[in-house]
Amino acid sequence: GQNIDQPTEMTATEGAIVQINCTYQTSGFNGLFWYQQHAGEAPTFLSYNVLDGLEEKGRFSSFLSRSKGYSYLLLKELQMKDSASYLCAVMDSNYQLIWGAGTKLIIKP
Amino acid sequence: DGGITQSPKYLFRKEGQNVTLSCEQNLNHDAMYWYRQDPGQGLRLIYYSQIVNDFQKGDIAEGYSVSREKKESFPLTVTSAQKNPTAFYLCASSPSGASGANVLTFGAGSRLTVL
Repeated sequence: GQNIDQPTEMTATEGAIVQINCTYQTSGFNGLFWYQQHAGEAPTFLSYNVLDGLEEKGRFSSFLSRSKGYSYLLLKELQMKDSASYLCAVMDSNYQLIWGAGTKLIIKP
Repeated sequence: DGGITQSPKYLFRKEGQNVTLSCEQNLNHDAMYWYRQDPGQGLRLIYYSQIVNDFQKGDIAEGYSVSREKKESFPLTVTSAQKNPTAFYLCASSPSGASGANVLTFGAGSRLTVL
């Protein structure tokens, strides 16, 4: 079966760095997405990786290793507004998105 | 501003009643989707549509129905056949369906509670 694993919850301190991991096993691969979702709100797009390596976008970076079935989202200089759930999703060979359950990130002052 | 509008944001329903959730987009996107979100689970696809007057079942279509009569609109009906309808429902759209960098734009969601 297809599976996306990410930690259920993480806690970090304001101003620090946090890395949220995502491992996947899917039927084919057409890219990996990260979305941010504040409680009770719409998910919003953060990043897309289809080739191995690191993509940097401001305070957020996303890494992909296709051979290891692994990605991480790196958040730097954490702010209180970064408290949210972070969703990892993989597009399989049929261009269907397979979603992880999300990682709830709690930022403490 | 372009975006997706879902309504109502909160909805209460008695068992045995059908209810329709509205989803409207002004992004000129071809593809539209309905997802269900439950605590501790990933988003699950209910139905999707890549073009007007055509739609396909997702992973959990039983007890739901949709229509796509206009490009902008993709309403979801939760029927009385859906055994556990209490959930957060998300509508999304994308420029096209079958492409790699298919970034979804989501609506703010509709929370349905069955009493």
